[in-house]
Amino acid sequence: DTAVSQTPKYLVTQMGNDKSIKCEQNLGHDTMYWYKQDSKKFLKIMFSYNNKELIINETVPNRFSPKSPDKAHLNLHINSLELGDSAVYFCASSLNNSPLHFGNGTRLTVT
Amino acid sequence: DAKTTQPPSMDCAEGRAANLPCNHSTISGNEYVYWYRQIHSQGPQYIIHGLKNNETNEMASLIITEDRKSSTLILPHATLRDTAVYYCIVRVPPYTGANSKLTFGKGITLSVRP
Repeated sequence: DTAVSQTPKYLVTQMGNDKSIKCEQNLGHDTMYWYKQDSKKFLKIMFSYNNKELIINETVPNRFSPKSPDKAHLNLHINSLELGDSAVYFCASSLNNSPLHFGNGTRLTVT
Repeated sequence: DAKTTQPPSMDCAEGRAANLPCNHSTISGNEYVYWYRQIHSQGPQYIIHGLKNNETNEMASLIITEDRKSSTLILPHATLRDTAVYYCIVRVPPYTGANSKLTFGKGITLSVRP
């Protein structure tokens, strides 16, 4: 199936750990995004990559480091996890003027 | 991008039409109106978009007023699976570079009752 897929779906970890979330799209899109949805359900852009180049960085702490090995993948690595990082993280992709396609999210819980 | 305002919530009966309003009184001439929805525990899903003319696809219809200051998303026969948060967003093309992102507001929570 053509889609934006994220792994893992759920991630439970302790404060101070380092974790990664992976995202892959097979839609042939050239722009990928990470969004964060907090407990109040607000969806906020974090990063955007276009053809492996960072385009948008919305004042996210530098503990968050996106990596795009190719234009079909955008991974999110988080260092020294904090309680406030608990949220649902959504990956998305788009091409030119097409609508954004979203994955089904990764629910991160930091204890 | 112009701001939008939506009521926080509404409900409708299953099988009836759901009419979801959106106000975008500061919209500029080249801004498009987009609608997305987020069903519980899923990622946002694109529904429809338009500039001036009314639009219809397999999911919904979009009615934009002549002055473009407001629009209505119509789900003609709402089902329980349409229960979701619906986001009205205005965007100006081209959607490239820093302008490629979507900025979500609070949306409107639609509850479809049996």
